[in-house]
Amino acid sequence: SYDLTQPPSVSVSPGQTATITCSGDTLRNKLSSWYQHKPGQSPVLVIYQTNKRPSGIPERFSGSHYGDTATLTIRGAQAIDEADYYCQAWDFSTPYVFGTGTKVTVL
Amino acid sequence: QVQLVQSGAEVKKPGASVKVSCKVSGYTLSELSMHWVRQPSGKGLEWVGGFDPEYGKTVYAQRFQGRVSMTEDADTAYMEVSSLRPEDTATFYCAAANGSGPLEYWAQGTLVIVSS
Repeated sequence: SYDLTQPPSVSVSPGQTATITCSGDTLRNKLSSWYQHKPGQSPVLVIYQTNKRPSGIPERFSGSHYGDTATLTIRGAQAIDEADYYCQAWDFSTPYVFGTGTKVTVL
Repeated sequence: QVQLVQSGAEVKKPGASVKVSCKVSGYTLSELSMHWVRQPSGKGLEWVGGFDPEYGKTVYAQRFQGRVSMTEDADTAYMEVSSLRPEDTATFYCAAANGSGPLEYWAQGTLVIVSS
């Protein structure tokens, strides 16, 4: 079972802003991360410690967190951003808890 | 730069065991915390287990305890799953973190099919 709930899908027009939420008690007072996962590829870390971007991740990706909800925002979405996105946080008994995943479609 | 390379796809019968390897280069294993994540076809990511530096030992997700074993040898990490069931069919990824941080580095994944 999953402790972090995400919307199953988000659609966005090219150049517009996509917002993906992740909710759950596990997120309270915890840092969150986000991973991008394209079909046939390995997941890629796009946000860590709530709002930091690893080297090489475009500035259009940003993260925020308030209470029991973390948010990934993609500003100026591009076709290459189409992927599944997973939030992740740490729990006492499970170091890496993943969210249910959100399929982002850019059309 | 860290590179992780896993062993190839496996097809196993129910009740058998499978051992998947993950070779590390660019860093030594002692510098990384190695973890395994699985993804059944059409479903989401699920952490299976890995090294928790807070406790200084390998820990496993509750649902896999007793059936999964993770070990390391020189520059390679291994995950063995025993008593395989058809519902274990999934792609298994090894991933690495710096300490207790996020999973920064991922291998290409290994498809394990359990079928009679």
